Amino acid sequence: SSELTQDPAVSVALGQTVRITCQGDSLRSYYASWYQQKPGQAPVLVIYGKNNRPSGIPDRFSGSSSGNTASLTITGAQAEDEADYYCNSRDSSGNHLFGGGTKLTVL
Amino acid sequence: QVQLQESGPGLVKPSGTLSLTCAVSGGSISSSNWWSWVRQPPGKGLEWIGEIYHSGSTNYNPSLKSRVTISVDKSKNQFSLKLSSVTAADTAVYYCARLHGIAASSDAFDIWGQGTMVTVSS
Repeated sequence: SSELTQDPAVSVALGQTVRITCQGDSLRSYYASWYQQKPGQAPVLVIYGKNNRPSGIPDRFSGSSSGNTASLTITGAQAEDEADYYCNSRDSSGNHLFGGGTKLTVL
Repeated sequence: QVQLQESGPGLVKPSGTLSLTCAVSGGSISSSNWWSWVRQPPGKGLEWIGEIYHSGSTNYNPSLKSRVTISVDKSKNQFSLKLSSVTAADTAVYYCARLHGIAASSDAFDIWGQGTMVTVSS
């Protein structure tokens, strides 16, 4: 299929670890990239490739992949991590796809 | 550092053409990157619209392909989006973004503009 599926909402207690997942057939061929978006702001790249963080992204953010599932893990979630998270990859034709997004709540 | 800035009308009439420009500063549009447009309807997720390389090569979202044209102006270091026959469903924040990466299997949108809201209404 040419879709990326994310859970609509996930919550985590402050300081705990949370995993946000993204499922899709294309993830067997392409790595996912992950974007954090806070209200009224543009998305920000947090993870790309096998497990790469752009400069300025805290090391509590990490990525992994297995089969048709990519995961974004936040180890020791902070209040400022509360945001929407989107995965992105390509479909079988090479066109870009975004997942539907996951709203992360930090309790 | 490279920065992107979208510009264009914030209001477009139904059946009209939406036209936006993304100015690239701090770097050259002729670098080895693709340049994309992404949109986000109010309260909804991100949707990739299409991309262009400085050579003029383009790729479009199949669901929008019949209505989309993306072009590049290297002399002005900018690229543009035209979306024709717009309806209320095209109301969204439109972002331009840089796609960076050596391989398609691991590339990513590493730089984004601030976004511009476009409303389709009479």
